[in-house]
Amino acid sequence: DTGVSQDPRHKITKRGQNVTFRCDPISEHNRLYWYRQTLGQGPEFLTYFQNEAQLEKSRLLSDRFSAERPKGSFSTLEIQRTEQGDSAMYLCASSLTSQGASYGYTFGSGTRLTVV
Amino acid sequence: GQNIDQPTEMTATEGAIVQINCTYQTSGFNGLFWYQQHAGEAPTFLSYNVLDGLEEKGRFSSFLSRSKGYSYLLLKELQMKDSASYLCAVDDTDKLIFGTGTRLQVFP
Repeated sequence: DTGVSQDPRHKITKRGQNVTFRCDPISEHNRLYWYRQTLGQGPEFLTYFQNEAQLEKSRLLSDRFSAERPKGSFSTLEIQRTEQGDSAMYLCASSLTSQGASYGYTFGSGTRLTVV
Repeated sequence: GQNIDQPTEMTATEGAIVQINCTYQTSGFNGLFWYQQHAGEAPTFLSYNVLDGLEEKGRFSSFLSRSKGYSYLLLKELQMKDSASYLCAVDDTDKLIFGTGTRLQVFP
C-alpha cells in the first residue's frame, strides 16, 4: 500500500469551470476526510465518509461543492462554477475507525487548485 | 465551539531547543496530534497524546494536560531541516480539527 493518493497534484482552471479531484485512501481504512488549506492556515475540515456514507459536512461546504464515495473506496470532490476564492490546497486523509476511536490518520499530498 | 490556538510564527537557532504551545477547546476529545508540514507538502505525523504526560520520540517530545486543554511540542537539537509549519490537531471523536499552524524558522 502506497498511502493516500490524490490526483491531480495541480489544477489550474478558469473561473466558472467545474473541477473534480480524486482521492484513493489506504485500503484498510474505513474513514475518508476532505480538508481545504489556504496559505498560512491550518487545514479546514470539509466533509468525511465512513465507508460509503457521508456523515458530516462543514458549513464551509457550499452548494457548489459535492463529495462522493460510491463504493466505500476512492472518493471524488467536485467544485462547480469555481470562484477565485476556491483557490487552495485540497487535502484528503484516511483513518481506521473502530469502536469510536480512529487510528492512523494519513494525509495525501494534496491537490493544489488555482482559479484564474 | 471548537477552538485551537497556537503561535503563528517562531524563530530559533540551529542546535537550540524550541517549545511550541497549543491550547484547545473542543466538544469532544479523542487525542491530540502534532504534524509537521513543509511548504507545498502534505502534513506528516509527528506525535499523538491521549493521556496526560510526556511522549518522547527522538529529538521530538509532546506533552498533554487534558484538564488544562494544553499541549506542547518540544524540538531539541534543532536542525535547518526542522524549518517548517507545525500543526496542532485535536480528534474530536469524528475528525481532526487543526490550529492555524506555527511556522518555525531555524537560523544557522
